[in-house]
Parts: sequence; structure tokens; C-alpha cells
Amino acid sequence: DGGITQSPKYLFRKEGQNVTLSCEQNLNHDAMYWYRQDPGQGLRLIYYSQIVNDFQKGDIAEGYSVSREKKESFPLTVTSAQKNPTAFYLCASSNRDWNNQPQHFGDGTRLSIL
Amino acid sequence: AQSVTQLDSQVPVFEEAPVELRCNYSSSVSVYLFWYVQYPNQGLQLLLKYLSGSTLVKGINGFEAEFNKSQTSFHLRKPSVHISDTAEYFCAVSDMRTGANNLFFGTGTRLTVIP
Repeated sequence: DGGITQSPKYLFRKEGQNVTLSCEQNLNHDAMYWYRQDPGQGLRLIYYSQIVNDFQKGDIAEGYSVSREKKESFPLTVTSAQKNPTAFYLCASSNRDWNNQPQHFGDGTRLSIL
Repeated sequence: AQSVTQLDSQVPVFEEAPVELRCNYSSSVSVYLFWYVQYPNQGLQLLLKYLSGSTLVKGINGFEAEFNKSQTSFHLRKPSVHISDTAEYFCAVSDMRTGANNLFFGTGTRLTVIP
């Protein structure tokens, strides 16, 4: 079955450490997205990519970085500059060529500070 | 720019009772509207979507929603809820120019079904 795989499911970060969250999709979707979810705040867009080797900042990109070297992969790095990284991170993908295709989501990674 | 308001952060309801989860949006252009459901520690699953045509759309698990352009609303309803419907529900909007590449989410409504 096609879908989006996020790993790990749970991740712990030490002070001053960078961590990378993995997102892989086998839906052959062009566009991929990273969201941060905090209680009572819904989903906020961190970064998105509409095509390989291209990505744009979302609403809360500070302290995060991404890469899009392959169509199926869109890893997110939470850097030490992100002072409040504890949250649930969701990866999504969509077909860029079909404007009314809603986004498909992975099962998320929960990041906590040690 | 678009925005979505879900006025009710929590909705408790007894099993087999009807429920309505409210969603209002603002946009200067025509929109697509969606409802997603999220079970604990999982991603979001699409419940239903309004793209065009009939304003009453039916989704999975017995849910339906009605698009009301004059009131800029897209409320989600179910005539009889089950325990398994306990989850968080998100309303989302995108505009017809940018499509799914720019989804704006509400802050969510936590539905708790009481036995």
C-alpha cells in the first residue's frame, strides 16, 4: 500500500543537539510538507517543497532546515537554534498537478527534550 | 489570505446522540474545504471534502458537512455518534488558485463521546 512513513515515532533531544526527522513517501507525489502541532494551536507549516531540489519556508521555519534531494524523501532537521522543539511533527504530501488533491499525512514523530 | 475558525475546542456528547462541529472560514476567493480526523498519536485522515457542486457532502464513518457560502461555514455533522468517534477534528481551507499546496487549518475540536 502506498503511504507516508515517518520515523522515528518518538525522539528525544539533548540541549544543543541537532536531530533529523525522516519522512518517506511512495505515493509518487510531487509536493511534500512539514507541520508542527502543539496543543490548542492546530497545525503550523514549517517548510514545504513542490519539486526536487526546491523548498520554501512556511510560517515557522526559524530553527529548522530541510532538504529535498529525492522525490520520495523530505527530512526535517530541528537545530539547536529551535529553543522550544517539543511538539508533534507531521509530514504530508500531495500531487502538485491536481489542485484539489488534499494532503496525505504520515503518523507523526513526537519530539521531546531530555 | 485564508483563515479558519473552529469555535469549539472541546465537544462532549453522549453515545448515539447527534453532534455538530462548527467551522467558519474567511477568504477573498473561492475555496476548497476539508475536514480531517486525528486519532491519538496518529496523523490526519481525510473525512470529507467540498470542491464544487452539491453543498452537502458525505464522508467516511457516517459524517457529512454542508457548505454555506453566505455564512462562510462548513459545519460537520453526524446523526448518531459512537465511542470510536472520539478524536480531534480539524477543518481546513485552501483557495482555488494555489490548491492543496497551501492548506490552512483550524485549531481543532476535540470530540469526546461519553458512554
